[in-house]
Amino acid sequence: SQTIHQWPATLVQPVGSPLSLECTVEGTSNPNLYWYRQAAGRGLQLLFYSIGIDQISSEVPQNLSASRPQDRQFILSSKKLLLSDSGFYLCAWRKLPILYGYTFGSGTRLTVV
Amino acid sequence: ELKVEQNPLFLSMQEGKNYTIYCNYSTTSDRLYWYRQDPGKSLESLFVLLSNGAVKQEGRLMASLDTKARLSTLHITAAVHDLSATYFCAVDEAAGAQKLVFGQGTRLTINP
Repeated sequence: SQTIHQWPATLVQPVGSPLSLECTVEGTSNPNLYWYRQAAGRGLQLLFYSIGIDQISSEVPQNLSASRPQDRQFILSSKKLLLSDSGFYLCAWRKLPILYGYTFGSGTRLTVV
Repeated sequence: ELKVEQNPLFLSMQEGKNYTIYCNYSTTSDRLYWYRQDPGKSLESLFVLLSNGAVKQEGRLMASLDTKARLSTLHITAAVHDLSATYFCAVDEAAGAQKLVFGQGTRLTINP
């Protein structure tokens, strides 16, 4: 079966510390992968998307970066966190055929203190 | 640039009533998605609408898509408390990298 895993579920990090969030997909190959962020009480903002290994596009300028070292692994990173990086981070992948839509991971709630 | 707008953003209604959430988008697309989000949780897929005139129903929820008007609706029939959640519509950019652009969300509260 096709599943998406995201971890950790919750993270509290001090300002200026590094960040690494991981997302993996099982049961498919060459998926489109996405990172979204949701600020408290707000909508979803697309941060990065990837159509293949080492093919990553950034949607908004920020101190975050993304990498895709393997076909089914997508990593969100930061060298130095800011308070404004707090939020709910969601990884998603696009199932094929398209009639199945996009599926989201369980999310990581990041609080920068 | 694709923009997606929902209204209303907040909706408080009584159990047993009917209501509709509207989703407008700015560019040509025939792929629209509805999601539900409970507090503190991820997104749950409700409907995938892939053509003009598409209509899908699941329980008390029914979604439709009019690609010519660039409008989708989510209709709630005889609301029950369990439907309280935030509902998002999202549109897929059909060209290019095919990424989802979301509306602002509609926070629905259903009171007994």
